[in-house]
Amino acid sequence: NAGVTQTPKFRVLKTGQSMTLLCAQDMNHEYMYWYRQDPGMGLRLIHYSVGEGTTAKGEVPDGYNVSRLKKQNFLLGLESAAPSQTSVYFCASSSTTGKSSYNEQFFGPGTRLTVL
Amino acid sequence: GQSLEQPSEVTAVEGAIVQINCTYQTSGFYGLSWYQQHDGGAPTFLSYNALDGLEETGRFSSFLSRSDSYGYLLLQELQMKDSASYFCALNSGNTPLVFGKGTRLSVIA
Repeated sequence: NAGVTQTPKFRVLKTGQSMTLLCAQDMNHEYMYWYRQDPGMGLRLIHYSVGEGTTAKGEVPDGYNVSRLKKQNFLLGLESAAPSQTSVYFCASSSTTGKSSYNEQFFGPGTRLTVL
Repeated sequence: GQSLEQPSEVTAVEGAIVQINCTYQTSGFYGLSWYQQHDGGAPTFLSYNALDGLEETGRFSSFLSRSDSYGYLLLQELQMKDSASYFCALNSGNTPLVFGKGTRLSVIA
């Protein structure tokens, strides 16, 4: 049981390049999330998905796109990278946002992205 | 909208007790969660309060007061390995968790 995995772990891009970050979970969770973390800013939600084939915008969605073609995978795309997108990106999953549950989110190890 | 406020940094001595506060603004929520994140690592779940009062899990306890829009995480018998960032988060049910900006705890000898 690997939990939540992210690929790649590190990446350096030049301004204008594109890339896709892959997140995979093997816990059969319905909900998946992409966050970015910058110093002093905490975890900011980029996009999330409440099930296969569905996505929704979070707090900071501009410049990113996502897809959830399979329940276990959630992809984050940067079409034209900018230096402002230099950050650590975390994927997370949960079984429910449920009203009575504690909605524990399981996080992947993160992807450290630098845009030059 | 929803927002949470936490102190940015806290320093405490090994073996002591430390309290990390979290105040929030929301029109409604189901509970307050706490996550721990070591430098270079991923956030991990620590505790959850659905009801007012204290929840205890080993050396860690978490408290919630809905009437005061306030919660805290209490760490007892501090160890050096407790040096990390701690985040409070609001669980509103049908929407993703909303996280505070985190409190960096430094445990000193």
